[in-house]
Amino acid sequence: SYVLSQPPSVSVAPGETARMTCGGNNIGRRSVHWYQRKPGQAPLVVIYYDSDRPSGIPERFSGSNSGDTATLTISRVEAGDEADYYCQVWDSSSDNVVFGGGTKLTVL
Amino acid sequence: QLQLQESGSRLVKPFQTLSLTCSVSGASIDTGSYCWSWIRQQPGKGPEWIGYIYHTGLTYFNPSLQSRAAISIDTSNNQFSLGLTSVTAADTAIYYCARTQVMGIHRLFDSWGQGTLVTVSS
Repeated sequence: SYVLSQPPSVSVAPGETARMTCGGNNIGRRSVHWYQRKPGQAPLVVIYYDSDRPSGIPERFSGSNSGDTATLTISRVEAGDEADYYCQVWDSSSDNVVFGGGTKLTVL
Repeated sequence: QLQLQESGSRLVKPFQTLSLTCSVSGASIDTGSYCWSWIRQQPGKGPEWIGYIYHTGLTYFNPSLQSRAAISIDTSNNQFSLGLTSVTAADTAIYYCARTQVMGIHRLFDSWGQGTLVTVSS
C-alpha cells in the first residue's frame, strides 16, 4: 500500500518560513491535499490539489509537489499557525485514502 | 455555513458495536455533488479514512475496515451514521465526519466536524 512520510515536528520563530514535507513514491504524479488540525477544532483544508488555496486561507500558505516530495510552506509564520498538518492523497491501486502521519508545527 | 456535528456513544465495551451519527446543517446531504465520510484518528497516528456514502446509499470503505464498518444515510433528517462492529481497544480514536468531494481519482475532505472521542474499554 502507498505510504506518505512526514517529519514529526517542525519549529520556527515568528516571522520565519516553515516548510513541511510529505514524501511518497512519485507523489508528484498525484494530487496532494493538506489539512490543519488544532486541538478541539474541526480540521481545515489549507491547500488542495497541490497548490490551490481555499477562500479564507491566507496567502502565506502555499504548496508544491514534484518528484517524491510535496511541500507545504507557510511564510511569515504567526503564533496562530501552530497546529498539526497532514497531507493526503488517493491511492487508486488500493482504492483507499492515504494520510501522512502528520507534522506538528511549533512556533517558538 | 455548513456545519457537521458528531454524536453517539463515547464509551463502548470490547466486542460491542460503536455507533455514531453526524448531523449536517447549512446544506442538504441529499445531493449528488458530494458524499459523506467517516474518518478516525487513533492516538499518536495520522487520520484514517473509514468510508463514505452517497445520497443514494451507495457506500465505499477502507479495505482494512470493510468487514466491520457500515454507513447509512437519513436524508429526511440530514444525518448519516457509522456502525463499527466487534470493537477492540485499537478502535479507540477521535471519530470525525466530513463532507467529501469525489472527482475521478481525487478525494477531498472539504468540511469536517469537530470530532468525538470514542473509548473502547470494559
